[in-house]
Amino acid sequence: DAGITQSPRYKITETGRQVTLMCHQTWSHSYMFWYRQDLGHGLRLIYYSAAADITDKGEVPDGYVVSRSKTENFPLTLESATRSQTSVYFCASSESRFGEQYFGPGTRLTVT
Amino acid sequence: DAKTTQPPSMDCAEGRAANLPCNHSTISGNEYVYWYRQIHSQGPQYIIHGLKNNETNEMASLIITEDRKSSTLILPHATLRDTAVYYCIVRAGLNTGTASKLTFGTGTRLQVTL
Repeated sequence: DAGITQSPRYKITETGRQVTLMCHQTWSHSYMFWYRQDLGHGLRLIYYSAAADITDKGEVPDGYVVSRSKTENFPLTLESATRSQTSVYFCASSESRFGEQYFGPGTRLTVT
Repeated sequence: DAKTTQPPSMDCAEGRAANLPCNHSTISGNEYVYWYRQIHSQGPQYIIHGLKNNETNEMASLIITEDRKSSTLILPHATLRDTAVYYCIVRAGLNTGTASKLTFGTGTRLQVTL
């Protein structure tokens, strides 16, 4: 009954540090997505993945790296965090390309 | 993807029906209308979607006008737990070459009151 989980739920880091946000889903959904949510911008797609080892850029990919070696995991890495990456990050998964997306609880990231 | 227009906020008394409108006048023939909601500090939650026929599930009903330029999400008996931001999203359907992303606007903030 776990569904989709994200860790950590809260993270504070310093400018220039590398940070990895984790996303894990138990449904074996093929598609996984990373969004960020900022005031005034709504949710914006960062990266998505159609299957293990297949990833593609979304609307705002700069400064982020993703990988997907296993179907159930989709980590998001900020290689050198900047203050502009302070945001709430949501991971989502979907059974099919056009199916409904199920979202995780989010990670609130603050870059100081 | 077609853009959507929603009122920024609405109020509804508990137990009454909440009718949330959405305009999507530039929708194309293969685009679906999706509704999600986001309760404070939680991830968005899928509610319902449709192409041109009215749809109903355990959470809500979706009424799409015949010309498909607007739609209404209906929560038949709103409760305090339905207080959330509701997003109307137009999404590309099958036979498109683009990724099936969801484009969230600013939504409608629904406040359900006693």
